[in-house]
Order: sequence, then C-alpha cells, then structure tokens
Amino acid sequence: KNEVEQSPQNLTAQEGEFITINCSYSVGISALHWLQQHPGGGIVSLFMLSSGKKKHGRLIATINIQEKHSSLHITASHPRDSAVYICAVSSFGNEKLTFGTGTRLTIIP
Amino acid sequence: GAVVSQHPSWVICKSGTSVKIECRSLDFQATTMFWYRQFPKQSLMLMATSNEGSKATYEQGVEKDKFLINHASLTLSTLTVTSAHPEDSSFYICSARQGAVGLAKNIQYFGAGTRLSVL
Repeated sequence: KNEVEQSPQNLTAQEGEFITINCSYSVGISALHWLQQHPGGGIVSLFMLSSGKKKHGRLIATINIQEKHSSLHITASHPRDSAVYICAVSSFGNEKLTFGTGTRLTIIP
Repeated sequence: GAVVSQHPSWVICKSGTSVKIECRSLDFQATTMFWYRQFPKQSLMLMATSNEGSKATYEQGVEKDKFLINHASLTLSTLTVTSAHPEDSSFYICSARQGAVGLAKNIQYFGAGTRLSVL
C-alpha cells in the first residue's frame, strides 16, 4: 500500500464543472503539497498546507489532519486546467517528498 | 514566485556518451536541490538530494557513479548521466528549496524538466 494515495486516477469532465481530487496519506506529515504537471512535463507547485484551507483563484485546497485526507477543488473548470495533479507529503525532520501517483484531469470544451 | 530554470529541456544522445543537465535557481539561494526521474505515466522518483558544498545523498538503487551530481553554488546544481544507455532514457526533473527554517521554506520549486533520449 502506497503511503500517499490519490483518487480518481483519471477524471474527464465538461468545461464549467466543479472538480474534486482526493488525497489520503498514512503517515504523520508536516505539510501536504498539491502540484500540477502539464503535458510538457513542467511542474508547478499549487499549494502547501498543514491545516485548514487555502484558496488561489479557482483552486481550493483543504486538509483534515485527523482524517489524513486532503482535497483539491477546481471551480468553473476550463480546458487549460487539463493536467496531472499530484499530491505529495513531507514529514517532520525529513525534507523529502513522498508523491501520490497523480490524477490525470481532462476538461472537455 | 521563485523560478527554477532547467536546461536543456530536451536532449538526444548516442549510447555511451555523457549528458549534463543544469538546474538553476534564478531569484533565490537554494540550499538544497533535488533530482527526480519520471517514467511515462508514473510519479516522480527521487534520485538524490544535493546540498550546496557537500556530496549528494543518493537514494537506494541509484548509481552514484552513473548519475554524477554537483552542487557547487547556491544557485546551480548539475546532473551528469555518464555513459548513457537507452535504459537511461527518461524525464529528469530538478527542484530547489530555499532553506530549512520555517514551514514556508520547505516549498520546493520545480524546473521544467529534461527529456533525455539515448539512441
């Protein structure tokens, strides 16, 4: 069993739909990261959070430490949101990131 | 936000040659840089952690003589794939971290990646 699991693995939706991607982890963490990887391969860090909720534009990330679960939401989805979204966690005293396998999101116009 | 530049973005080389990939932090000092490898449709796999001025720490199963890492300054780390073979063909990504103090400094800024094809 992976330490970081994401669901769904693949998600296809119509433009404008509300998107939710889930991440569950099994270890104690200092922070959880949401990353976006575009088809060309480059990775952008979207959020780093250790509690509560963060919002940036149409993106919202939440985390429940007790339940070891985080969600990434996209409101009013757009084809340019099509990418692989990766959840990663870092632990106290360990600077390395442990990655989930990613969620491939495709938004259809 | 902070910018990490990785070069080249794409390289094709003949089997047996060496390839150097550069990772630069453009607007901050990176005390730590990470090198990852990614196979198609798989997640990132950490190869090594590099701290400025010291030897890199390699993950289990990664050949240090095969993948030479140098982090000579606070803004530059290089990965050299020596005597490349077709099985080394992959997508290599670097990331850089600003410092070890405070949670916010744990953010990693990623380069755009280098696609290596060994013929």
